[in-house]
Amino acid sequence: GQQVMQIPQYQHVQEGEDFTTYCNSSTTLSNIQWYKQRPGGHPVFLIQLVKSGEVKKQKRLTFQFGEAKKNSSLHITATQTTDVGTYFCAGRHNTDKLIFGTGTRLQVFP
Amino acid sequence: SAVISQKPSRDICQRGTSLTIQCQVDSQVTMMFWYRQQPGQSLTLIATANQGSEATYESGFVIDKFPISRPNLTFSTLTVSNMSPEDSSIYLCSALSGDNYGYTFGSGTRLTVV
Repeated sequence: GQQVMQIPQYQHVQEGEDFTTYCNSSTTLSNIQWYKQRPGGHPVFLIQLVKSGEVKKQKRLTFQFGEAKKNSSLHITATQTTDVGTYFCAGRHNTDKLIFGTGTRLQVFP
Repeated sequence: SAVISQKPSRDICQRGTSLTIQCQVDSQVTMMFWYRQQPGQSLTLIATANQGSEATYESGFVIDKFPISRPNLTFSTLTVSNMSPEDSSIYLCSALSGDNYGYTFGSGTRLTVV
């Protein structure tokens, strides 16, 4: 079946350091979305990438969609304690249902 | 973007009983989705709920165990039937929200079966 894997599973960083999570799908995606889930909360939509090779930025966050539309990355520059949470990629395969990645839990130490 | 109210937020249930989870959306949405999330784990799609038709279940989930209703474009329920401790999890509903293509989630139902 369709699988979406993320690495690393966990990442602990010092505040101010950069962070990157990588997402890989076993099949080609029509688009990919990224979500953030704070501890005890529900997933919150961050962004959608559609085009091959697309790069989008939201302040300190940079999202990239691979040329083959099978992988994606999220990079956070100069992390802050407010960045703590689990980051999920979620892929769509020409349907409206999302297949969530395994997630990367980010911990930021002040 | 749409706002989803989900209830109950949490419940502790006896094995063998059933629990119905409700989600109310503040706007009309075509499709709603039900997920299960073990603490610290990813989200697993249970089923897609369309108004006016039977829900579409993912592999490993069946209608007898997780009956879903979708009586109109703003409401859906998921029932967890004949519960066992293995059903203990967080259940979330979701819907496509607005024009930014993002999905909005309810706040989740934390279910514990004893």
